[in-house]
Amino acid sequence: DTGVSQNPRHKITKRGQNVTFRCDPISEHNRLYWYRQTLGQGPEFLTYFQNEAQLEKSRLLSDRFSAERPKGSFSTLEIQRTEQGDSAMYLCASSLERAGYNEQFFGPGTRLTVL
Amino acid sequence: AQTVTQSQPEMSVQEAETVTLSCTYDTSENNYYLFWYKQPPSRQMILVIRQEAYKQQNATENRFSVNFQKAAKSFSLKISDSQLGDTAMYFCAFTLYNNNDMRFGAGTRLTVKP
Repeated sequence: DTGVSQNPRHKITKRGQNVTFRCDPISEHNRLYWYRQTLGQGPEFLTYFQNEAQLEKSRLLSDRFSAERPKGSFSTLEIQRTEQGDSAMYLCASSLERAGYNEQFFGPGTRLTVL
Repeated sequence: AQTVTQSQPEMSVQEAETVTLSCTYDTSENNYYLFWYKQPPSRQMILVIRQEAYKQQNATENRFSVNFQKAAKSFSLKISDSQLGDTAMYFCAFTLYNNNDMRFGAGTRLTVKP
């Protein structure tokens, strides 16, 4: 399978704990995106990387959130001191940079439940 | 700011019939892209169809076609000959040209009934 993969698929944690998710993009894709999707809503953009550089961050990405993409390959999204409001599906997508249009290919997501 | 609105939270259609999902958006920009994504239950989101705003011709992909009305800022999806496998959440999305902040609507849950 050469699509976008995400691990873990499900994570249950207690309020106040730290969690880390991983995303492995399609191998030749240089752009990587993180989205959050809450129940009954569409995905909301969090941040994106071009290679290893984090080029844009949404205001939704509070100080408790940090994302990295070392060496421009896989990416991690860490949430510190989780809150119940962080419960959501976290989606990763990747794309190959092209002028004007970049089709984003999505992973299956990591569902986070904060108790 | 760009916004995307899907006013139909749920829809259903009989197998083999045609259904149209609605989407409106708001932007003051002229160069952008519109998309319909499908998210089957417990499966990942896949692109169904896309439309470049500068193209007047409506995009089509097999049984899927769009009705793009730029002046009205409307972008509906028509699914012809509906199949059971079309059952999914459908999201309308928007992004500006050369931009990476994709905006999604709240989605329409489509059920195809046998």
